Amino acid sequence: GIQVEQSPPDLILQEGANSTLRCNFSDSVNNLQWFHQNPWGQLINLFYIPSGTKQNGRLSATTVATERYSLLYISSSQTTDSGVYFCAVLYNQGGKLIFGQGTELSVKP
Amino acid sequence: DVKVTQSSRYLVKRTGEKVFLECVQDMDHENMFWYRQDPGLGLRLIYFSYDVKMKEKGDIPEGYSVSREKKERFSLILESASTNQTSMYLCASRRQGASTDTQYFGPGTRLTVL
Repeated sequence: GIQVEQSPPDLILQEGANSTLRCNFSDSVNNLQWFHQNPWGQLINLFYIPSGTKQNGRLSATTVATERYSLLYISSSQTTDSGVYFCAVLYNQGGKLIFGQGTELSVKP
Repeated sequence: DVKVTQSSRYLVKRTGEKVFLECVQDMDHENMFWYRQDPGLGLRLIYFSYDVKMKEKGDIPEGYSVSREKKERFSLILESASTNQTSMYLCASRRQGASTDTQYFGPGTRLTVL
């Protein structure tokens, strides 16, 4: 099956810093999503990005499907950005997602 | 905005009890999912449903069943709760469209089985 790997596993930033999170996947996909899980456990969908680049405020994401990776950029990080960031790819048309193990981000004031 | 709600944020049950976890979405989505999340194991799919009364097993269905009598509601049932079912349970609903295919998650239920 498809393997999804994220790096780094942990990241500590000072408020205001920028960061790049990476997601590699082992097979071609036509659906890739990024999620943020806040400290209370809520998973929030950030981007649906099977290819190309999207931006939403301080966050942007790029997927290069032919090279099987996606990047999530966080600029001017804030303490509220803390939590775990997951990427997930679609496994089948039924909607099953394969999740990476996540990157745990901690933004210090 | 899509809204997915779960019946409880925290739940404590005893071994052997029958447990119902309820999930409701308000966007007329066809596909709904139940995951559990455990430290070191990530998110794992338990069951999913692609229509009313239709269900499919995920990766770890043992010890669970589901019910989908109405489109907006997807229930996860632990027939006889065991301590190894202590976990965070997350429900999701899937929006499909011409330019999107995304899953929206509820707030989660932290279940403790004593």
